[in-house]
Amino acid sequence: EVQLVQSGAEVKKPGESLKISCEGSGYSFTSYWIAWVRQMPGKGLEWMGIIYPGDSDTRYSPSFQGQVTISADKSISTAYLQWSSLKASDTAMYYCARAGDYSDYWGQGTLVTVSS
Amino acid sequence: EIVMTQSPATLSVSPGERATLSCRASQSVSSNLAWYQQKPGQAPRLLIYGASIRATGIPARFSGSGSGTEFTLTISSLQSEDFAVYYCQQYNNWPRTFGQGTKLEIK
Repeated sequence: EVQLVQSGAEVKKPGESLKISCEGSGYSFTSYWIAWVRQMPGKGLEWMGIIYPGDSDTRYSPSFQGQVTISADKSISTAYLQWSSLKASDTAMYYCARAGDYSDYWGQGTLVTVSS
Repeated sequence: EIVMTQSPATLSVSPGERATLSCRASQSVSSNLAWYQQKPGQAPRLLIYGASIRATGIPARFSGSGSGTEFTLTISSLQSEDFAVYYCQQYNNWPRTFGQGTKLEIK
């Protein structure tokens, strides 16, 4: 069974750093891209970027380029999304999804709350 | 970046009736178009890919059509569990982009 399991909810202060994770199982992790998708409270889905764990090829939406870093550790079948300095506007639910083209499996989401 | 525009923003339909949701791309995406359903508190679920191919386990009442810049998702006879938000997404170009969503509500 394909599963993507994300790390738990986070509460952070502005300016703090954060790294959230997405562990894949039930399939060849290095053979499928993993995308990250943001959903701000009450809003729609925003495609942030994507990584191919096999060779770490990474692509970002221009809206998120330079704002976040996507990485992966294929030895533990885990992808990451990280921020070096969080802002209140980063408050959102973040989903990982097996992707490349369309996204057929999704993680359960990680809620990130940034508040002073 | 390709802009995906969905209409209407909200659609009110009675159970048992047909619902038709539209998605327009700012430039051709060929048939590289997917539809997702999202219910409150849940992750999105893939319904359709390749503009018209139902994903595994998706009921036959869901159908997709279109190519190029105009796409439609049709739900033939609405069930209570179908009331949700629906998103289209193009995967023809980088970056992939979503529409803003259509909320399907009970009339």
